[in-house]
Amino acid sequence: KNQVEQSPQSLIILEGKNCTLQCNYTVSPFSNLRWYKQDTGRGPVSLTIMTFSENTKSNGRYTATLDADTKQSSLHITASQLSDSASYICVVSSYNFNKFYFGSGTKLNVKP
Amino acid sequence: EAQVTQNPRYLITVTGKKLTVTCSQNMNHEYMSWYRQDPGLGLRQIYYSMNVEVTDKGDVPEGYKVSRKEKRNFPLILESPSPNQTSLYFCASSPFPGSTEAFFGQGTRLTVV
Repeated sequence: KNQVEQSPQSLIILEGKNCTLQCNYTVSPFSNLRWYKQDTGRGPVSLTIMTFSENTKSNGRYTATLDADTKQSSLHITASQLSDSASYICVVSSYNFNKFYFGSGTKLNVKP
Repeated sequence: EAQVTQNPRYLITVTGKKLTVTCSQNMNHEYMSWYRQDPGLGLRQIYYSMNVEVTDKGDVPEGYKVSRKEKRNFPLILESPSPNQTSLYFCASSPFPGSTEAFFGQGTRLTVV
């Protein structure tokens, strides 16, 4: 069964600290993996995309990793800011049926 | 500005009263879809459309209808809403079926009492 699981469900960190969010998937055949940021009450917005051949990709303070062998991805946030408070959703695409598979998200709360 | 626009943003209605949530995109995208988001369950696909007049069921289609008469519009219809359809709804579009990125609308928070 194609699934995407994220951990932790929620996370509280102090402003300026780093954190890492995890995403494990069983989707096959794998096409790509995206991390989305969803601010409260708004639609998700894409942060980064990882394809099969990519191990690491950075977008400012966000760094995503992908291990296609173990089917794991992580999103590392450096020097967190209050504006990083949001839900982060891992989405895996499959070549079959043009389908997206969504994780249930990690809710990050950055406190001053 | 490229965007996906949903209306209304908030809606409270009573059981059984038909309602329509509109969705419009200005990016000439072929692929559009509707999702509902519930706590702890993530985004689940309700219906999708690969192009005009081509629609198909997603993972949770019961109680919903859609139509795609024009490329830019993809309304979600609840013929007889029930309280278990209380949720946050998102419309999304992608340039073509199989595209790797979805562009989401702002969301519609629906409460059925």
